[in-house]
Parts: sequence; structure tokens; C-alpha cells
Amino acid sequence: GQNIDQPTEMTATEGAIVQINCTYQTSGFNGLFWYQQHAGEAPTFLSYNVLDGLEEKGRFSSFLSRSKGYSYLLLKELQMKDSASYLCAPLDSNYQLIWGAGTKLIIKP
Amino acid sequence: IAGITQAPTSQILAAGRRMTLRCTQDMRHNAMYWYRQDLGLGLRLIHYSNTAGTTGKGEVPDGYSVSRANTDDFPLTLASAVPSQTSVYFCASSHRATTDTGELFFGEGSRLTVL
Repeated sequence: GQNIDQPTEMTATEGAIVQINCTYQTSGFNGLFWYQQHAGEAPTFLSYNVLDGLEEKGRFSSFLSRSKGYSYLLLKELQMKDSASYLCAPLDSNYQLIWGAGTKLIIKP
Repeated sequence: IAGITQAPTSQILAAGRRMTLRCTQDMRHNAMYWYRQDLGLGLRLIHYSNTAGTTGKGEVPDGYSVSRANTDDFPLTLASAVPSQTSVYFCASSHRATTDTGELFFGEGSRLTVL
């Protein structure tokens, strides 16, 4: 079956760095997305990885290892507005997104 | 810039009633999707449409129907609502069926409660 595993909740301090991990098992693989979702709002796109390695985009970076079925999202210089849920979503062989339940990130002053 | 608009934003509905959630996008995107989001679960795909005139079933299609008469509109209908359909429903669109970097754009969601 298809499975996405990411921590349910994480807590970090303003100004610090946090890494949110995601492991996945899918029928085929065509890349992996990370989305951010603030409470009561719609998800918004953060990053897309299709090749192994690190993609950096400002304070956010995303890493992919296809052989390990593993990705992480790295958030630097945390701000209070980064408090949100972070959704890991790989694309399977049918180009359908398989969504994880998300990691709720709580930022403390 | 509207993007993708859903209506209603919130609705309380008696079990057995028919309900249509509306979704309209002005980005001329080919692909559109309906998801439901429940606490503790990932987004689950209900139905999708890769282009106007075609629709497909997602992971949890039972009890729901869709139509795609034109590029812009993708309504979701619950023929006879049941309490297990209480959820937040998100409509989304992408420029093309998610074949590469087909980023999804989401509406603000419709919170539906079935009593």
C-alpha cells in the first residue's frame, strides 16, 4: 500500500532551525511536494523535488533521497508566522498526490 | 485576482439533503480537484478532472458526484448527505494534470456539517 509518515507535532523556538522529516512508500514515484497550511486556511505550495539533493528557497529548503524514500523540509530563522502544518505529498506512478496527515509546527517566543 | 473561489464557506445540512459545493477558477487551469480534509488524516481526493468534459474518481468518491461542463467550474454534489461527510472540502486546480511541477492552487475551503 501507499504510506506517508511524518511527525504529528513539533515545537521549536523563534529564530531557531527545525527539520521536518517525511518517509514515504508509494507505487512509483514522480517527485515530492511540500505544502504549508495555516490553521483554518488552504494549503499553499512550498517546494517540489524530483531529483535527489537539496533545493533551497530563502529560509526554506527541501531535501530528497529517492533510494531511501525520504524527504525533509528545513526551516531556518524561524518566525512566529511559520506556525502552521506542513504537508508532505509524493506523486505516485499515476501522477496522483498522496498526502501525509501533516506536521503541526508550533513556534514559541 | 480571484484565483479559485469556493461557495459556500460554511454550511450546516440535515442528513438526507442534497448539497452542491461550487468551485470556480479564473486561471484557465486544465485540471481541477476536490479533496476532503479530516482531522488526523491527509487530504483525500474525491474526484478530479484533467480537462473540461472529463472527470475521474479519486480515493473516496462514494456519495459524491462532479461535472466539468467548462474550464472554469467544477461543482461537487452530495446527492443525499450523511454525517460521515462532515468535513472541510477543498477545491484545487493546476495548469495541467500533475505530471511534473504541476503545483496545486487551493480554494479557501468549504466547511460542511451534516447532522
